[in-house]
Amino acid sequence: QVQLQESGPGLVKPSETLSLTCAVSGYSISSGYFWGWIRQPPGKGLEWIASIYHTGNTYYNPSLKSRVTMSVDTSKNQFSLKLSSVTAADTAVYWCARGNVKFEYWGQGTLVTVSS
Amino acid sequence: EIVLTQSPGTLSLSPGERATLSCRASQSVSSSYLAWYQQKPGQTPRLLISGASSRATGIPDRFSGSGSGTDFTLTISRLEPEDFAVYYCQQYGTSQFTFGQGTKLEIK
Repeated sequence: QVQLQESGPGLVKPSETLSLTCAVSGYSISSGYFWGWIRQPPGKGLEWIASIYHTGNTYYNPSLKSRVTMSVDTSKNQFSLKLSSVTAADTAVYWCARGNVKFEYWGQGTLVTVSS
Repeated sequence: EIVLTQSPGTLSLSPGERATLSCRASQSVSSSYLAWYQQKPGQTPRLLISGASSRATGIPDRFSGSGSGTDFTLTISRLEPEDFAVYYCQQYGTSQFTFGQGTKLEIK
């Protein structure tokens, strides 16, 4: 069974970089699929952030593209997200998920708060 | 960027009733690339429907999806108490994903 688990700081200061990692078990990232990040600010809807293929090909949400970097580490079977110059508007629950055209498997989510 | 608009914003119904949720796209979406999710408070979204009409594994058959082009519908034939939640549509196209803003299905 495919399982995903997010990890990273729950509190980030304004203007700093948010860094999250998603560890995948039950499936080898190298075998295929796109792997993505989705977030949800408190009380709001879902927003796709970015996706990456095991080869390193990345797709970014145009509204976040200038601040987002995704990477993949197939040796550790994990992928990562970096979001720079964060503000309070980046406070959200962040999920990692597997999906080419739909998100079938999700992590449990991690709340990241941007505050000084 | 394709914008998905869901209606209504809130739908108030009683258990046993039929729910019809709409998702309209700003431009044509391939049916293969339209999905629906259910999210309960404090929980992770759960995939219900993909390819506009195919139920995901373990999803009861009271959930059905339909539509094509720019208009898609999620129907819940007879509401169970556990169906009251927020529902999102999502599309994939040209290496981009977008979600609708959600429809809250609440108990009347």
